[in-house]
Amino acid sequence: ETGVTQSPTHLIKTRGQQVTLRCSSQSGHNTVSWYQQALGQGPQFIFQYYREEENGRGNFPPRFSGLQFPNYSSELNVNALELDDSALYLCASSVKDGGSAPLHFGNGTRLTVT
Amino acid sequence: DQQVKQNSPSLSVQEGRISILNCDYTNSMFDYFLWYKKYPAEGPTFLISISSIKDKNEDGRFTVFLNKSAKHLSLHIVPSQPGDSAVYFCAASAFGVGNNRLAFGKGNQVVVIP
Repeated sequence: ETGVTQSPTHLIKTRGQQVTLRCSSQSGHNTVSWYQQALGQGPQFIFQYYREEENGRGNFPPRFSGLQFPNYSSELNVNALELDDSALYLCASSVKDGGSAPLHFGNGTRLTVT
Repeated sequence: DQQVKQNSPSLSVQEGRISILNCDYTNSMFDYFLWYKKYPAEGPTFLISISSIKDKNEDGRFTVFLNKSAKHLSLHIVPSQPGDSAVYFCAASAFGVGNNRLAFGKGNQVVVIP
C-alpha cells in the first residue's frame, strides 16, 4: 500500500510569485484535503476535493486554489505569494464516508517565501 | 478563533511513567475527536480517536477520555517510551467520521527521558 506522497519537499519562492504543490493520494482513497501549518501552530484546513470538485473550504483567500485529477492526485496552487504564506503544506487523503478511517497525511512541502 | 486549544506546550516525563495531554474545545458541534503524533520532517500520524457517544477509548498504551459537558478531552500514554517523544496534536471535526475538515490545536511537545 503506497502512502501519501508530496512534492517537492522544500521550495523557496519570492513574494508575488506563484507556486504549485503536488500530492499523490494513498491508493484506494478518493478524497484529498490540504492543510497549512505555520510555525508553532497546528495544521489549518485549506480545502478538500472529492470527485474532482472542491468539497469544503477553510478561511483562505481565493488565491489559494486546487485541483483533483481522475487518479485522485491533487495540486495546490497559490498565486501572488505573500511572506505569511511561508509554512508547511500538508496533503491528506481518505475515503469519503469510509467509516472510521482517519486522514492519512503526507510529509508535507516546506514553502519559504522571501 | 482557536476552536481547539492545547495548553502546556511542552511536557517532559520519565520513561515508564504516565504522560497526560489535555485538550479543550469550544465548538459544541464537534462530535469526533482525534489525536495525531508528529515527528520532525514527517506528516502527522493518526494515533487514536473517539466519538462523542463514548467517554473512553483505549488502544494499547494509549487511552483517550472525553468529557462532553466540560468540552475537554485528554490523552493518556502509559507507560511512556522514548519513541513517544514527538509533538501531539488534538483535532476535532463536526458531522462525524466522514468529514475531513479537522480543526487542530497547536500541539504539545512531549519528551520522554530514558
